[in-house]
Amino acid sequence: QQQVKQSPQSLIVQKGGISIINCAYENTAFDYFPWYQQFPGKGPALLIAIRPDVSEKKEGRFTISFNKSAKQFSLHIMDSQPGDSATYFCAASITGTASKLTFGTGTRLQVTL
Amino acid sequence: NAGVTQTPKFQVLKTGQSMTLQCAQDMNHEYMSWYRQDPGMGLRLIHYSVGAGITDQGEVPNGYNVSRSTTEDFPLRLLSAAPSQTSVYFCASRETQREGRRNEQFFGPGTRLTVL
Repeated sequence: QQQVKQSPQSLIVQKGGISIINCAYENTAFDYFPWYQQFPGKGPALLIAIRPDVSEKKEGRFTISFNKSAKQFSLHIMDSQPGDSATYFCAASITGTASKLTFGTGTRLQVTL
Repeated sequence: NAGVTQTPKFQVLKTGQSMTLQCAQDMNHEYMSWYRQDPGMGLRLIHYSVGAGITDQGEVPNGYNVSRSTTEDFPLRLLSAAPSQTSVYFCASRETQREGRRNEQFFGPGTRLTVL
């Protein structure tokens, strides 16, 4: 059972454009939604995270939009740069000592010149 | 701080062989976990630990064993390697998750395992 569904699988965006990656979840108990960025040959690294008490969180060029009623959240990368080319994973968890992250299947982003 | 370290970086095994993937962290994190990453399937949790002496199964535990004798180390053992275990394995650690904290999970650089 895939509890976090991510789309698209791959995305090509021109430099300066907006990259948008979407995720949907099923478990309404999830209360923590991070996005991880992974470069080839490296482990994933936390990019930005949101909790359901806010509808949007912005950190630099990266914004998470959260829709609790639709059980969806998305990552927006403004002014996309070639250095943003990476694989992005959304995830979700329930806060707690034994909290486990459930990851989406990933989106490979390529930003072209 | 070295963060999360994993050894080896690459490994080739024959079907039926056993081996241990090493993972260590120097951040005094209580929580450690092992994931496998396969194309189109994201990261799937194999086993996790909330502290020394405490481990539990994740989503895909079959064929793997773990133990946690110290806070720093969390090795993953493949008992009898199978081609289906060909994957990239990531170890991760974090502090106990709490409200208001960043709750960042730190990943190691990964081990690429091929089982022939």
